[in-house]
Amino acid sequence: QKEVEQNSGPLSVPEGAIASLNCTYSDRGSQSFFWYRQYSGKSPELIMFIYSNGDKEDGRFTAQLNKASQYVSLLIRDSQPSDSATYLCAVINSSASKIIFGSGTRLSIRP
Amino acid sequence: EAGVAQSPRYKIIEKRQSVAFWCNPISGHATLYWYQQILGQGPKLLIQFQNNGVVDDSQLPKDRFSAERLKGVDSTLKIQPAKLEDSAVYLCASSPADTRANYGYTFGSGTRLTVV
Repeated sequence: QKEVEQNSGPLSVPEGAIASLNCTYSDRGSQSFFWYRQYSGKSPELIMFIYSNGDKEDGRFTAQLNKASQYVSLLIRDSQPSDSATYLCAVINSSASKIIFGSGTRLSIRP
Repeated sequence: EAGVAQSPRYKIIEKRQSVAFWCNPISGHATLYWYQQILGQGPKLLIQFQNNGVVDDSQLPKDRFSAERLKGVDSTLKIQPAKLEDSAVYLCASSPADTRANYGYTFGSGTRLTVV
């Protein structure tokens, strides 16, 4: 079982709709959770982090965390073509020593 | 605030040759990470430094990869000899935190290595 699992996609969403990206993790003691956006040929860019159960909103982005289900999600409202990228879910393991990344979900926003 | 600096941006070498990558973290960041990202995969941690000491190098192929962080600032990652499967982007990241890394990382622009 992979430590952090994501659907590789591609996920195609029409412009203006809500994009929903999901991630599960195996280490129940994981402490912090991150979403990175990576454009093709570029390095990952941190867009959201969440530590507590529930929702955290930042502009058009909402991160959701459910530790009981070991599940993290990212919602992007009013999707724009510029949101087309690969989204990496990342988790700090229970020993709190390093960030472990999923393989990413490729998101495509169609006009 | 200047970001994480990496060089070179691109490198093409033949298999069995050696190559070195350089990283300068954000000023004051104690923790430095080297990640390998193969096309279509997420970044994989190779080595983590806290100041100039190694915290985690469990996934570093030590028979061919080496890394150092002299004086707790700049770092170099070396591959000798390179194999075809080393073709990847090598990302350097830094964090102001201790090894708990609760703040997330800032990545450099990466070095794209192609081994032919």
